Amino acid sequence: GQQVMQIPQYQHVQEGEDFTTYCNSSTTLSNIQWYKQRPGGHPVFLIQLVKSGEVKKQKRLTFQFGEAKKNSSLHITATQTTDVGTYFCAGPDNAGNMLTFGGGTRLMVKP
Amino acid sequence: DTAVSQTPKYLVTQMGNDKSIKCEQNLGHDTMYWYKQDSKKFLKIMFSYNNKELIINETVPNRFSPKSPDKAHLNLHINSLELGDSAVYFCASSQVRGANYGYTFGSGTRLTVV
Repeated sequence: GQQVMQIPQYQHVQEGEDFTTYCNSSTTLSNIQWYKQRPGGHPVFLIQLVKSGEVKKQKRLTFQFGEAKKNSSLHITATQTTDVGTYFCAGPDNAGNMLTFGGGTRLMVKP
Repeated sequence: DTAVSQTPKYLVTQMGNDKSIKCEQNLGHDTMYWYKQDSKKFLKIMFSYNNKELIINETVPNRFSPKSPDKAHLNLHINSLELGDSAVYFCASSQVRGANYGYTFGSGTRLTVV
C-alpha cells in the first residue's frame, strides 16, 4: 500500500540555525499536507500543496512539492524555540479516502 | 469555541474493560475520523465516517467500533481493552470526505490500559 516516509526522525538545532525535513511517498500524490504537533498537543494543519513543483512560504517556513509529486520538504529559516514540535507530512491513501501520515520529524531547538 | 472536542482527556482502565471516547465537531464538516498515535508518535488512521458510510482501516481490530448519532458526533467504542491499546486517540474532521482538505484535530484522549 501507499507509504509516506519522513527523514530525519529527530533533529537538534541551535536557535538561529536552519532546519529541513523531507517527505517521500511510494506513489504519486494528488496533494501533500503538512502538520505541526507541539509537545503534549495535537496535530495542527499548516499548509497544503497541490501543484507539481509548487513552493509556498509562511514567514520563516518554506514548503516545496516535488516535480513528480512524490516528495516534499519543509524548511525553517533561523529556528526559534517556538518552532519546537513534531512536523508531519500527510498524503491521501491509495483510494483517496483518508490521509496517511509520515512518521514525523521531531525538532528540538536549544536556546 | 472549541472546533473539535473530545472527552475524556485522560482515561485509565483495566484490561478487559469496555470504554468509550466521545467526539464532537461544531465546524459543520461532512466527515470525521479517528486516529491512533502510539508512543513513537506514529499516527495511524483507524476510521473515516461520512453520511452513514464507514471506511475502516483493515488493520484495526473489530473490538474498536465507531458510532455516529449525528453528523457532528463520532464516538469510539472499545471492547475488551488490551495493554496494546494504550495510546493517544485523536478525533479529526474535514470539510468534505477524502484527503483533499486539511483536517482539524481534537486535543486527544490519552488511554492507559493497566
